[in-house]
Formats: sequence, structure tokens, C-alpha cells
Amino acid sequence: DAMVIQNPRYQVTQFGKPVTLSCSQTLNHNVMYWYQQKSSQAPKLLFHYYDKDFNNEADTPDNFQSRRPNTSFCFLDIRSPGLGDAAMYLCATSSLDRYYEQYFGPGTRLTVT
Amino acid sequence: ELKVEQNPLFLSMQEGKNYTIYCNYSTTSDRLYWYRQDPGKSLESLFVLLSNGAVKQEGRLMASLDTKARLSTLHITAAVHDLSATYFCAVDRGEIQGAQKLVFGQGTRLTINP
Repeated sequence: DAMVIQNPRYQVTQFGKPVTLSCSQTLNHNVMYWYQQKSSQAPKLLFHYYDKDFNNEADTPDNFQSRRPNTSFCFLDIRSPGLGDAAMYLCATSSLDRYYEQYFGPGTRLTVT
Repeated sequence: ELKVEQNPLFLSMQEGKNYTIYCNYSTTSDRLYWYRQDPGKSLESLFVLLSNGAVKQEGRLMASLDTKARLSTLHITAAVHDLSATYFCAVDRGEIQGAQKLVFGQGTRLTINP
């Protein structure tokens, strides 16, 4: 089945130790999004890729970076995680012809110790 | 700046009762979404509302959109325990073609008691 896959599902990292979260999709969608959702809060858009074009939200901290080496994969890099970065990170995709529908992955729960 | 507000934020109701969750937003948009989220899980798409007056129904849930009033409602009919979850509405800022920039409401945590 076509889908959005996130790895790992659970990630524990140490304060200040760089961490990378992975998202892959078999939907061949042009757009990939990363959201951060802290406990008991709403998801918040961090950035998105429109094909290879990177679009950062104005309030996304510099500590968060992203890479999209090809259509299928997108990575979220946190350069120096702080305790406040502990959250669920959600990846989503959408296609140009049905851009109004986003397909969410299962999420990666990040713990910072 | 687009703001999206839901109410109530917490809702505890009995099985078999009806209730409505409200979603208000501050700037013009004609694309509104409802999602369900179970604890520790990702978002599940419930409804996509793309025009004024849009109404969609799935089982015991019905969603509507009034773009003039900047208001969407999610109505629950004869609630059952399985509907217990957090429900989010989200509005597209509409800034770019071909992609979405969603702003989410705070979420409504719904608990349905036997």
C-alpha cells in the first residue's frame, strides 16, 4: 500500500546531541511537510518542500534543518536538541493535483534526556 | 495573522447524546479540515471542506463550513465511546499554490462516557 513512513517511531537523544528523523513516501507526492507537536498542543508547521524548493516557516528555529535528497525521502535534522524540542514530529505529503489533501505519517516521538 | 480557535477545549459527554464542536478562524479561507487524533498517534483525516456551505457526513460525524461567518462545526450524533479522541480543525493560510500551510486550532479533547 502506498503510504508515508517515518523512522524511527521513537527516538531518544541526549541534550545537545544531533539527531536525524526520517520520512519516506511511496505516493510520489511533490510536497513534503514537517510538523512539530508538543504534548497536549496542536501541530505546528516547521517547513515544507515543494519538489526541491525548501520553504521555512518564519518562526522555525535555526536549530531545525531539513534535507530532501529525492522525491521519496525527507529528513529532519535537529542540530543541538534542547529539552524543549521533545515532541512528536509528524511528516506529511500532498500532491499537486490534490493539494488540498495531506497524508500524515505515524510520527516520531522524540525524547531529549 | 491567521488564528484558529476551537471550543470547547474539553468535552465530556454521555453515550447517546448529541453535541457540536465549533471552529472559528480570523481571516478569509475556503479550505478547512477536521482531523482526529488518538493518544500517542498521528492525525487521521476526517473531513475536507473546500467551499462555503460545504457539508460532509461520515457515520455519526457531520461537518459544515460557513466561510462568511468564518465558522465550521463538527456535529456528533448519538455519541459512542469509540469517538473519544482529540479533534482538531485546521485552516489553510492559502499563501501558495499547490501546497498547504495549515494553522491548527487548539484541539477539543472529547471523552464519551458509558
